Amino acid sequence: SQTIHQWPATLVQPVGSPLSLECTVEGTSNPNLYWYRQAAGRGLQLLFYSVGIGQISSEVPQNLSASRPQDRQFILSSKKLLLSDSGFYLCAWSGWDRAPGNTIYFGEGSWLTVV
Amino acid sequence: QQQVKQSPQSLIVQKGGISIINCAYENTAFDYFPWYQQFPGKGPALLIAIRPDVSEKKEGRFTISFNKSAKQFSLHIMDSQPGDSATYFCAAIYNQGGKLIFGQGTELSVKP
Repeated sequence: SQTIHQWPATLVQPVGSPLSLECTVEGTSNPNLYWYRQAAGRGLQLLFYSVGIGQISSEVPQNLSASRPQDRQFILSSKKLLLSDSGFYLCAWSGWDRAPGNTIYFGEGSWLTVV
Repeated sequence: QQQVKQSPQSLIVQKGGISIINCAYENTAFDYFPWYQQFPGKGPALLIAIRPDVSEKKEGRFTISFNKSAKQFSLHIMDSQPGDSATYFCAAIYNQGGKLIFGQGTELSVKP
């Protein structure tokens, strides 16, 4: 079965410091990978998605970047964090094909507090 | 046009009652409509999903009703339990690239 791992689970970082959140998926090949952010108030915002190694699409211009160095690894980064980057970050994956029932599955999330 | 509008924002139901959450969409290119359940501090988990060629899908106490002509769909939780207290998100999958468009979420509280 497929599993998704995301770390660290919680992170407190000062303003201006760098960020690296990592996500890996096991049990599948060539998944679509996603980073979402959930700010206070519940809404889920798609930040980045990737359909393959080195292929990253950005949904919202911001202080963050994403990379996919390996098929099942997705990294969210920032060179200099802002207070507004605080939130709950969720990695997710879906199958590479658009077969019926092929939906998106989320990791456990990473809490980022920028102080 | 890619939005999914969800209501209500919050819902309080007595134990044993029926919880109903509604969603509406505009983009007819959406072809798959999942519902997610999220407990505090956890990632959303897939609860139930439906395709637009089906008007209703039931899994245990959870039922999705889908009205394609009205571009609306809803989640019904029968015999609601305190353990159902969570935030529920409706969503729609855009048919190119598999991007998931979420509704705004409904915070459900089931009182004992």
